[in-house]
Amino acid sequence: DTAVSQTPKYLVTQMGNDKSIKCEQNLGHDTMYWYKQDSKKFLKIMFSYNNKELIINETVPNRFSPKSPDKAHLNLHINSLELGDSAVYFCASSQQSTSGPKNIQYFGAGTRLSVL
Amino acid sequence: AQKVTQAQTEISVVEKEDVTLDCVYETRDTTYYLFWYKQPPSGELVFLIRRNSFDEQNEISGRYSWNFQKSTSSFNFTITASQVVDSAVYFCALSEETSGSRLTFGEGTQLTVNP
Repeated sequence: DTAVSQTPKYLVTQMGNDKSIKCEQNLGHDTMYWYKQDSKKFLKIMFSYNNKELIINETVPNRFSPKSPDKAHLNLHINSLELGDSAVYFCASSQQSTSGPKNIQYFGAGTRLSVL
Repeated sequence: AQKVTQAQTEISVVEKEDVTLDCVYETRDTTYYLFWYKQPPSGELVFLIRRNSFDEQNEISGRYSWNFQKSTSSFNFTITASQVVDSAVYFCALSEETSGSRLTFGEGTQLTVNP
């Protein structure tokens, strides 16, 4: 059973298209995230949702729009794709509201987006 | 502002050698969390360890050990008797209590273990 699953694993598309990446977690966590890993392997947070509420929104073009229909899902929609959007996008989840080992983020396998 | 520096971009060792990956962090918070993640060639990010700022005890897990020193703002990771399967990019990361749950990652260290 995969804890954090993303689909698709690979996404190849043309400039100007609109695409979505889906993420689901079955860990019962209350917080989900999107990170972007560039060609130099640098990882940077894009968004975070806690109980379906947006709590982190980094400086990201507004062509990127996250949507959280429920606590277990966080999707990323990208409009008008550009060459510079090519990267690996990681979804993650964590449990923030307990006294247990919070803050541990578990990551999905990543979605490699290639914009041609 | 939080920052994580992994000065070693690439390290190459021969199997069975010990290797230490360095991590230096900057934060103004008194409560924070430090992490190490492993990214093998297959690409996924694997959680290895989490430490909070109030727990400076070193930790050992099999061939892995971590040395947390607040005095030098460092959280170094040592692999003893390295194996080819340890080849991966290793990331150190920081999360501040006041910055919500965001992780700030270092640039990563590519470790190659040769047979």
